[in-house]
Amino acid sequence: RKEVEQDPGPFNVPEGATVAFNCTYSNSASQSFFWYRQDCRKEPKLLMSVYSSGNEDGRFTAQLNRASQYISLLIRDSKLSDSATYLCVVNQNNNDMRFGAGTRLTVKP
Amino acid sequence: GAVVSQHPSRVICKSGTSVKIECRSLDFQATTMFWYRQFPKKSLMLMATSNEGSKATYEQGVEKDKFLINHASLTLSTLTVTSAHPEDSSFYICSARLEGGGQPQHFGDGTRLSIL
Repeated sequence: RKEVEQDPGPFNVPEGATVAFNCTYSNSASQSFFWYRQDCRKEPKLLMSVYSSGNEDGRFTAQLNRASQYISLLIRDSKLSDSATYLCVVNQNNNDMRFGAGTRLTVKP
Repeated sequence: GAVVSQHPSRVICKSGTSVKIECRSLDFQATTMFWYRQFPKKSLMLMATSNEGSKATYEQGVEKDKFLINHASLTLSTLTVTSAHPEDSSFYICSARLEGGGQPQHFGDGTRLSIL
């Protein structure tokens, strides 16, 4: 089993749609969690950290379920500019970050 | 926020050339930096962890003599691809993080390396 698993997609959604991604992780001792977005031929950029209580940043909501070992990212009112690959990142200890393979999202007009 | 700068952003050179890539933390000190490579439409692959003042820790399958890492100061790590060949062509990205638990990685802009 991979340490961090994501559905690779692609997710093709119309503008305005709500889309959700899930990510599962295998190490129950994982300490911190993040979502990054990566545009084609660019470096990953931090989208948001994921907190135990769940957190929201504008149209983006991240949630963590430690019991089931998964994190989620919800995007509401999708924009064309949301098209990217979304990477789930799990920090197992301070210097041991594990990346998911990414989920590709395409938002269409 | 934390900024990581990577240089050069693009390298095209002949087979057999050695290529040095620099990674700098611009507004913070980083005792540890990370080097990744990424093939098209594939996930990031950790190559090595660069430790200031000591030897880098390489991931399994990564040749340390091929990919030389030097982390001589708290703000600079370099990756040298020695005697590069076409199969070394890839996107190389470095990252660093602020000290303290729960801090995210911040990535450099990446270096696209093409070996002819």
